[in-house]
Amino acid sequence: NFMLTQPHSVSESPGKRVTISCTRSSGSIASNFVQWYQQRPGRYPTTVIYEDTQRPSGVPDRFSGSIDTSSNSASLTISGLKTEDEADYFCQSYDTTKWVFGGGTKLTVL
Amino acid sequence: VQLVQSGAEVKKPGESLKISCKGSGYSFTKKWIGWVRQMPGKGLEWVGVIYPGDSDTRYSPSFQGHVTISADESITTAYLQWSSLKASDAAIYYCGRGGALDHFDSWGQGTLVTVSS
Repeated sequence: NFMLTQPHSVSESPGKRVTISCTRSSGSIASNFVQWYQQRPGRYPTTVIYEDTQRPSGVPDRFSGSIDTSSNSASLTISGLKTEDEADYFCQSYDTTKWVFGGGTKLTVL
Repeated sequence: VQLVQSGAEVKKPGESLKISCKGSGYSFTKKWIGWVRQMPGKGLEWVGVIYPGDSDTRYSPSFQGHVTISADESITTAYLQWSSLKASDAAIYYCGRGGALDHFDSWGQGTLVTVSS
């Protein structure tokens, strides 16, 4: 069993770049794919990154995903921030027989 | 791809409930479909998934034995059901289509379940 830990909140200005981290507590971050889901206020989640780095069709290339085995973490980077990017972001991975979600990060664009 | 969920429900503790998620725009029997819970003001929790092609079903240990996931391929619909609701089951339940066994690539709009005496 492992946990995924995200910062509770991050904030940045429009036009800037922000990175949200997701640290795996045990086992290698590279062992299982990491996904990122965006949930705008009052809305259902949408998938912005799957399989560590892949962007679904329709997701702007301002969104990118990566993993770093040295810090055992995954990251979601959003460049050219827009006010519409303000949302909760959840990382998620797979642990043998079940999914594991991070606690979520609230992104404020101000 | 479209996933359309059934409407909000208000139930009493001990009652049974079955909510649905109708998939369209893809081959229903060839993709996993499943459920995620979001309690008020909280994060996402995986409930489980089913592969309609062979009814292979996987549950989170946290939900195993308390809910049942099923699917009817003739009407391309997945279900999440409870035989006896608890107040702690109150939440929004989202269905999703599996890009693979380990993630969703499309989501439904959510079903709000209220459980109150």
